[in-house]
Amino acid sequence: EAGVVQSPRYKIIEKKQPVAFWCNPISGHNTLYWYLQNLGQGPELLIRYENEEAVDDSQLPKDRFSAERLKGVDSTLKIQPAELGDSAVYLCASSRDRMNTEAFFGQGTRLTVV
Amino acid sequence: DAKTTQPPSMDCAEGRAANLPCNHSTISGNEYVYWYRQIHSQGPQYIIHGLKNNETNEMASLIITEDRKSSTLILPHATLRDTAVYYCIVRASNDYKLSFGAGTTVTVRA
Repeated sequence: EAGVVQSPRYKIIEKKQPVAFWCNPISGHNTLYWYLQNLGQGPELLIRYENEEAVDDSQLPKDRFSAERLKGVDSTLKIQPAELGDSAVYLCASSRDRMNTEAFFGQGTRLTVV
Repeated sequence: DAKTTQPPSMDCAEGRAANLPCNHSTISGNEYVYWYRQIHSQGPQYIIHGLKNNETNEMASLIITEDRKSSTLILPHATLRDTAVYYCIVRASNDYKLSFGAGTTVTVRA
């Protein structure tokens, strides 16, 4: 069984440019999460999807961040425009449902804004 | 708003048991203790979880004190590939959210 797939693995952009990250969760997993991980810290939740519905986006900076999960499968996280402080690892995770005990994480996308 | 306290780092010898402590003195009755680990350049990986009974799986054992205010993750025979950051997380049974703290950086030495 394939795990959570994220792309790209690495991305370097100049500040004020847009950037997008893509996530393909494990097949059949209804719940999808995007986490942000700053250097030396644990991941922090940005947004959670139940199928195609964003049910918790309280931690998502909505002035520049957006996300979508069309058809309740793949998801895209976008930043526009990117700022220097957005440099971090962006992790996608999925679980069978919201109450499932185990979340599976992708390898993440390391974003560097210069 | 992590509800757990872990030592920032610890070393252990290859082949020996690694005992990772975690304090969660404010844990509620419906909250489970979860452990995840994150190997360098990878996403976090689930290890084990428990409510009040000790748990064991192919990766590790989880020992929870009777008052549930602390727990210990045991890696029975640490290998170099167990070098990682280990996160202890408290999560309610009706909560989907994993709140990661800074974790413990475990270095297994040959």
